[in-house]
Amino acid sequence: AQSVTQPDIHITVSEGASLELRCNYSYGATPYLFWYVQSPGQGLQLLLKYFSGDTLVQGIKGFEAEFKRSQSSFNLRKPSVHWSDAAEYFCAVVENYGQNFVFGPGTRLSVLP
Amino acid sequence: DAEITQSPRHKITETGRQVTLACHQTWNHNNMFWYRQDLGHGLRLIHYSYGVQDTNKGEVSDGYSVSRSNTEDLPLTLESAASSQTSVYFCASSPSRQGLYEQYFGPGTRLTVT
Repeated sequence: AQSVTQPDIHITVSEGASLELRCNYSYGATPYLFWYVQSPGQGLQLLLKYFSGDTLVQGIKGFEAEFKRSQSSFNLRKPSVHWSDAAEYFCAVVENYGQNFVFGPGTRLSVLP
Repeated sequence: DAEITQSPRHKITETGRQVTLACHQTWNHNNMFWYRQDLGHGLRLIHYSYGVQDTNKGEVSDGYSVSRSNTEDLPLTLESAASSQTSVYFCASSPSRQGLYEQYFGPGTRLTVT
């Protein structure tokens, strides 16, 4: 069965610092990968997605992610974090070429002023 | 604008009671999903539907049921609420079965079972 791991439960960065959130997956074929963000008390919003092609994908709010097949990773990055980026971030993979997402446990991001 | 809504947003119920959480989407999406979110587990799939009259069990379906009588709605029923079902519940929808489209999420329902 597919699985998604996010090794960091909680990360704290200073505003203006760079950010990298890690995501690793286990899946035999080429996966479809997603990053979602959840602000406190809100639903999930899609940041970006990878289906095929260029392994560096750009998303909303200045985020990007890089798919590395050799490392089974899809890490999320942002060059300069804003206080409004404080939220929970979820990595997800689609299994069986269907619509059933498998989510990672999430990484909570705190931003220091 | 098209959207996905959930009601109620907060619910407190007693152990053993039947509870139904509503989910309504106006995108005319074929696929709809219910998840529960618990600390340390991320989102786990409860039930899903690929169309009217189609329902399927997800990873954590015990104690839950769904029915799909139209495209817009997928209500989630807890037949006999248990304290272990205290959680935040999210409904989602997507337009295709081909795995190429993201899921759109509702705002969530916080359920407390006392």
